[in-house]
Amino acid sequence: GQNIDQPTEMTATEGAIVQINCTYQTSGFNGLFWYQQHAGEAPTFLSYNVLDGLEEKGRFSSFLSRSKGYSYLLLKELQMKDSASYLCASMDSNYQLIWGAGTKLIIKP
Amino acid sequence: ETGVTQTPRHLVMGMTNKKSLKCEQHLGHNAMYWYKQSAKKPLELMFVYNFKEQTENNSVPSRFSPECPNSSHLFLHLHTLQPEDSALYLCASSQDETSSYEQYFGPGTRLTVT
Repeated sequence: GQNIDQPTEMTATEGAIVQINCTYQTSGFNGLFWYQQHAGEAPTFLSYNVLDGLEEKGRFSSFLSRSKGYSYLLLKELQMKDSASYLCASMDSNYQLIWGAGTKLIIKP
Repeated sequence: ETGVTQTPRHLVMGMTNKKSLKCEQHLGHNAMYWYKQSAKKPLELMFVYNFKEQTENNSVPSRFSPECPNSSHLFLHLHTLQPEDSALYLCASSQDETSSYEQYFGPGTRLTVT
């Protein structure tokens, strides 16, 4: 079956670094997406990885290892506005997104 | 603003009512999606339209009926819903269903079935 696993909740301190892990198992693979969703708002696209390695985009970076079925989202210099849910999604061979349940990130001062 | 709008933002309806959710995208995309988001659960894909043709129906009960009159508009018609259908209904669009393009989401309709 198809499955995405990510932690339910994480807590971090303002100014620190946090890594949110995601493992995936899908029928075929056409890339790994990360989305951010603030409470009561639409999910917004953060990153896309289809090749192994690290993609850096400002304070956010995303890593992919296809052989391990593993990705992480790295957030640096955390700000209070980064408090949100982070959704991991793998695109299968039919280009359908298989979603994780999301990781709620709580930032404390 | 993601370029995808949804109305209404909130809806309360009884189990015998009929209502419709509306989605509009201003991005020139060719694919549109309906998702159901329940608390602490993964997004559930309900329907996909690509170039106005329905390409996916993920075993959704017939009390949910989609309509896509053109590439910019998507509707979800609701009738005789159950309390367990209460959730956030998200609309999304992407350039094309058959490529690895990111999806752009609307703000959702928070549906409560009483």
